[in-house]
Amino acid sequence: QKEVEQNSGPLSVPEGAIASLNCTYSDRVSQSFFWYRQYSGKSPELIMSIYSNGDKEDGRFTAQLNKASQYVSLLIRDSQPSDSATYLCAALNTGGFKTIFGAGTRLFVKA
Amino acid sequence: DTAVSQTPKYLVTQMGNDKSIKCEQNLGHDTMYWYKQDSKKFLKIMFSYNNKELIINETVPNRFSPKSPDKAHLNLHINSLELGDSAVYFCASSHGFGELFFGEGSRLTVL
Repeated sequence: QKEVEQNSGPLSVPEGAIASLNCTYSDRVSQSFFWYRQYSGKSPELIMSIYSNGDKEDGRFTAQLNKASQYVSLLIRDSQPSDSATYLCAALNTGGFKTIFGAGTRLFVKA
Repeated sequence: DTAVSQTPKYLVTQMGNDKSIKCEQNLGHDTMYWYKQDSKKFLKIMFSYNNKELIINETVPNRFSPKSPDKAHLNLHINSLELGDSAVYFCASSHGFGELFFGEGSRLTVL
């Protein structure tokens, strides 16, 4: 199993809907998780970080961490066409000094 | 005022040539990285420096040589370029080993 796994998608949702992006992780990562957004031809940009079990909300974004099931998710409420991008799930390795990325999920928000 | 800047943004060169990419950050971070993003968009760490000390050296051919003259700069020199080196190379920085701030990327094309 890879350290961080994501469904590559594409995930297509209509404008205004909730987009749900999921990520699972192995025992080879620590308990620090990150979601990055990458527009086509651009660099990754940090959206949220989450370190504790439960939900963390920031505007239209909610990150969820479930340590028992070893998954992290990102919910985007009221999805907009401008949210169309690749979303990268990432985690620090167990040593805590290396960020490991998943393969990314492509999201399309249809107007 | 760009936080993490890389130069050049584009490099097109012939196989066998040598090239360098420079990176500078003005965020006051103590850790800098080189990541490679291949054609499948997978983002993989290559090197990491913390306070000018090499922390991570992934299984990268020794044709790749990073150099950190100070905490704000991290350069990457590549010798004897091969077709498989074609990719986008991202510089990033962080405070400690947490949230990453990426440069705009340097797209290398080897012909």
